[in-house]
Amino acid sequence: EAQVTQNPRYLITVTGKKLTVTCSQNMNHEYMSWYRQDPGLGLRQIYYSMNVEVTDKGDVPEGYKVSRKEKRNFPLILESPSPNQTSLYFCASTPGGLVNTGELFFGEGSRLTVL
Amino acid sequence: AQSVTQPDIHITVSEGASLELRCNYSYGATPYLFWYVQSPGQGLQLLLKYFSGDTLVQGIKGFEAEFKRSQSSFNLRKPSVHWSDAAEYFCAVGAPGFKTIFGAGTRLFVKA
Repeated sequence: EAQVTQNPRYLITVTGKKLTVTCSQNMNHEYMSWYRQDPGLGLRQIYYSMNVEVTDKGDVPEGYKVSRKEKRNFPLILESPSPNQTSLYFCASTPGGLVNTGELFFGEGSRLTVL
Repeated sequence: AQSVTQPDIHITVSEGASLELRCNYSYGATPYLFWYVQSPGQGLQLLLKYFSGDTLVQGIKGFEAEFKRSQSSFNLRKPSVHWSDAAEYFCAVGAPGFKTIFGAGTRLFVKA
């Protein structure tokens, strides 16, 4: 089954404790992206990757890191989480190619709480 | 700059009534437009999309949307709402550079 898988789905942590949210897709998509969803703000892009070893900042990258060492994986790293990073996080992918349609395939989300 | 506006934060409709969710976009060229639905505790699922051609597009679950270039709108409609349609709906536009811009979302409540 074609899917985007995120882990963990739920996490409670404390300020400053490094954490990683993993994302994996099995559709051989070139493009992957991370969003955070906050009430009244919709989805805001954190980072995206157009292919292996190619990453770039989205609209709200502060406090986050990403890596793309393999095509299927795109982990989101919070080196020193703070309470304002409490949010619902989504990983998404799209095939890529010459024409961007923007149609995204989403994971089920990871709800992060930073105390 | 590209943007998407969903004027209604939440809407309540009775089961069986018709539904229209509004979406306005700002984009310089012909946009790629999407509606996604997010059920509680779930990720986002694509309802329908517009790339070109017929301005009335059909999607899953009985939804349709109409692209109106003159009004910069892409409103979502359903003739008869079911209780299972209660969810949050996001309008989005595909922008250059593999970027997708989302509206803030409209939460739909369905009353019996």
